[in-house]
Amino acid sequence: GNSVTQMEGPVTLSEEAFLTINCTYTATGYPSLFWYVQYPGEGLQLLLKATKADDKGSNKGFEATYRKETTSFHLEKGSVQVSDSAVYFCALPFSGSARQLTFGSGTQLTVLP
Amino acid sequence: DAGVIQSPRHEVTEMGQEVTLRCKPISGHNSLFWYRQTMMRGLELLIYFNNNVPIDDSGMPEDRFSAKMPNASFSTLKIQPSEPRDSAVYFCASSLAGQGADGYTFGSGTRLTVV
Repeated sequence: GNSVTQMEGPVTLSEEAFLTINCTYTATGYPSLFWYVQYPGEGLQLLLKATKADDKGSNKGFEATYRKETTSFHLEKGSVQVSDSAVYFCALPFSGSARQLTFGSGTQLTVLP
Repeated sequence: DAGVIQSPRHEVTEMGQEVTLRCKPISGHNSLFWYRQTMMRGLELLIYFNNNVPIDDSGMPEDRFSAKMPNASFSTLKIQPSEPRDSAVYFCASSLAGQGADGYTFGSGTRLTVV
């Protein structure tokens, strides 16, 4: 099945710093790609998605571009805030048109004031 | 919309006891997923249902685990007997099949501790 490899954490940044969390994938074809965020004590929430190559997903100042040449979907934000402290997960469908998602290991982000 | 509702939020039980986790998916969603989250193994898909029918249960660890979905608005995950290594956060998620994985919505999870 498809798989993702995510940047090891934890990541600690100062407020207003630039954020990059790396995600690379292995997949058959060009499945949709996702970033989910998990705030402390909560379930995962969809942060953004891209459904085809060269698409850019964006939400809440976060962006990720679907790059088939490098099989990557890195998450970026130009200026992080303390409220962005959370765990971030890269994900894609398990295989083909599968409904179920497979997730990366998660990257813990802590933003210091 | 109230979202995906899981109960209980926290469960502490003794080894050997039966544990039942509950999930109410979003109304109208017809796919339901049970995931387990641990520090060591991350997020693991245990089982998923489509139109109340189990489609893939290959992630269920062993026979001690069972899941049911008697109707479109309710699912249970049961562990009998429970063991300390079952301690984890269990998430339920639902989606509208036909939209790929776009409509995945997670509940807040049940934190299970088996002592």
